Amino acid sequence: GAVVSQHPSRVICKSGTSVKIECRSLDFQATTMFWYRQFPKKSLMLMATSNEGSKATYEQGVEKDKFLINHASLTLSTLTVTSAHPEDSSFYICSASKYGSGANVLTFGAGSRLTVL
Amino acid sequence: QQQVKQSPQSLIVQKGGISIINCAYENTAFDYFPWYQQFPGKGPALLIAIRPDVSEKKEGRFTISFNKSAKQFSLHIMDSQPGDSATYFCAASIGTGNQFYFGTGTSLTVIP
Repeated sequence: GAVVSQHPSRVICKSGTSVKIECRSLDFQATTMFWYRQFPKKSLMLMATSNEGSKATYEQGVEKDKFLINHASLTLSTLTVTSAHPEDSSFYICSASKYGSGANVLTFGAGSRLTVL
Repeated sequence: QQQVKQSPQSLIVQKGGISIINCAYENTAFDYFPWYQQFPGKGPALLIAIRPDVSEKKEGRFTISFNKSAKQFSLHIMDSQPGDSATYFCAASIGTGNQFYFGTGTSLTVIP
């Protein structure tokens, strides 16, 4: 199987602080990982595509200086929300792709609920 | 521009009934169509997927119907159960490419 672990599952921080979220592929190597943001009862909004050893590709409208993504190894990508503000409160989900059955299969982490006070 | 259009936005079904969620796409290069199930506070989980060389794929109570000419695919949940209550997302991707396009999601509620 393909398992993606995301940590922490919940984090509460004060406005102005930075928060790091980790995404790990536990049983496979993921050259590509994705970061999504999801608002309540809304769809998945792709924030950025993270490739191991290179700079992340950000979607239009996503501030790269605000949401720092690092993909230093084939099993770990991190998202750092810098100088967080209440409007950054959201559900952040990572995913990793693994090739199988003729396609890249996407496996998601359990998500991280960020609350900025 | 929404690459994959999903309907309905929400669905209420009686226990034992059939839940049907529809998706449509425009890009004929798409060749992998997964469905994801998401429970509140959790990440989406792959439910079932189909490739366009078959018109139907069944796994337990879940069936994907695929209509290549109409560029549509749908998820059917037979004998729907309260435990099926979740949000369902359809998606599409191209071969070995990494870009996945998601539908807007359908919130399914199965009433006991």
